[in-house]
Amino acid sequence: NAGVMQNPRHLVRRRGQEARLRCSPMKGHSHVYWYRQLPEEGLKFMVYLQKENIIDESGMPKERFSAEFPKEGPSILRIQQVVRGDSAAYFCASSPARAGYEQYFGPGTRLTVT
Amino acid sequence: AQTVTQSQPEMSVQEAETVTLSCTYDTSESNYYLFWYKQPPSRQMILVIRQEAYKQQNATENRFSVNFQKAAKSFSLKISDSQLGDTAMYFCAFMKSTQGAQKLVFGQGTRLTINP
Repeated sequence: NAGVMQNPRHLVRRRGQEARLRCSPMKGHSHVYWYRQLPEEGLKFMVYLQKENIIDESGMPKERFSAEFPKEGPSILRIQQVVRGDSAAYFCASSPARAGYEQYFGPGTRLTVT
Repeated sequence: AQTVTQSQPEMSVQEAETVTLSCTYDTSESNYYLFWYKQPPSRQMILVIRQEAYKQQNATENRFSVNFQKAAKSFSLKISDSQLGDTAMYFCAFMKSTQGAQKLVFGQGTRLTINP
């Protein structure tokens, strides 16, 4: 049973470009979460999605950031017009539907904005 | 809003020693879940242990155990017979029990080094 998969593992973008981060949850998991980790800090929640629905986006910046989890295919975190402050590790996690179940994390995507 | 505080930015012990990492949290919820995650140099987040707040018994996973004090809102992690592979960042995390509110709230982390 493959774990949570994220790609790319490393992404370099120039200021003003778009970044697309992909996440495939574990088999059987219908819930996806995105977290951001700035250097030397803990993970901060961004968004929680189920298939075709955004459940909680309270941690998402109001502008430039969006997320989706379509019926088919991976979840996508999209950052438009990236700025240097977006440089961070972005982690995706997945879990089954049951509340309180542990979340399984992918290896993360390290985004560097030059 | 819930907050999680880890007051020890760094800790260092010798191999085979026992070490305890502290975590306190603030919530008005009566039922919730608490977790410890480990992040080794590979940066992969690995679940270490999970505790349900309505259970009085402290969770244990092999060399890892917790001391859960609900009234004090304290959730410390004890690592017994520490090994070099335990070297990592350790994050304490909180989750509400409400369906649809399953985001994890993380502390700032404790960097643990096990010395040979």
